[in-house]
Amino acid sequence: DVKVTQSSRYLVKRTGEKVFLECVQDMDHENMFWYRQDPGLGLRLIYFSYDVKMKEKGDIPEGYSVSREKKERFSLILESASTNQTSMYLCASSGLAGITDTQYFGPGTRLTVL
Amino acid sequence: QKEVEQNSGPLSVPEGAIASLNCTYSDRGSQSFFWYRQYSGKSPELIMSIYSNGDKEDGRFTAQLNKASQYVSLLIRDSQPSDSATYLCAVLQSGGYQKVTFGTGTKLQVIP
Repeated sequence: DVKVTQSSRYLVKRTGEKVFLECVQDMDHENMFWYRQDPGLGLRLIYFSYDVKMKEKGDIPEGYSVSREKKERFSLILESASTNQTSMYLCASSGLAGITDTQYFGPGTRLTVL
Repeated sequence: QKEVEQNSGPLSVPEGAIASLNCTYSDRGSQSFFWYRQYSGKSPELIMSIYSNGDKEDGRFTAQLNKASQYVSLLIRDSQPSDSATYLCAVLQSGGYQKVTFGTGTKLQVIP
């Protein structure tokens, strides 16, 4: 079974703090993704990575950065948290490129920025 | 912007009925389509994937794909209260990488 884990289920931070969200997958997947999910807006892609040290911007990268130093780990960084970054953050991974591939999700981190 | 459209619902069906969930997409080059189920407060979990035109059945679930009409649907037969959730349609974008565009989801309520 694919397992994707995220460092925290719930997180409360203050405006201006630097926030790290970590994601680990155990299936040797090449691709990893960070989404945020907000009511009425659905899942929106922040960043993704298709290989170690490689990253690509998604649809809403502003205010975020990422790091992928090891294949199994993909970190999302909020350099200076703001209240509009309060959201559910979901990490996902998928395997070798191919039309049959599927994304598997972690349990999510609900981040509140006060 | 490549889009995936779903009716947000809620779609209410009685227990034992067939629930029909629909999705349209804009990227004509897309080849892979997925349905995820998401319970409140939980992360999405894959129900079915479909890649060819026609129907694909898995237990009580049937996915239908019509690439000419850019239309994907999910039928749930013998709906159960435990099927009450939000169903997300997802489309793998053409053009490389493995980017998936998700619809905003349809909330299904199965009434006992």
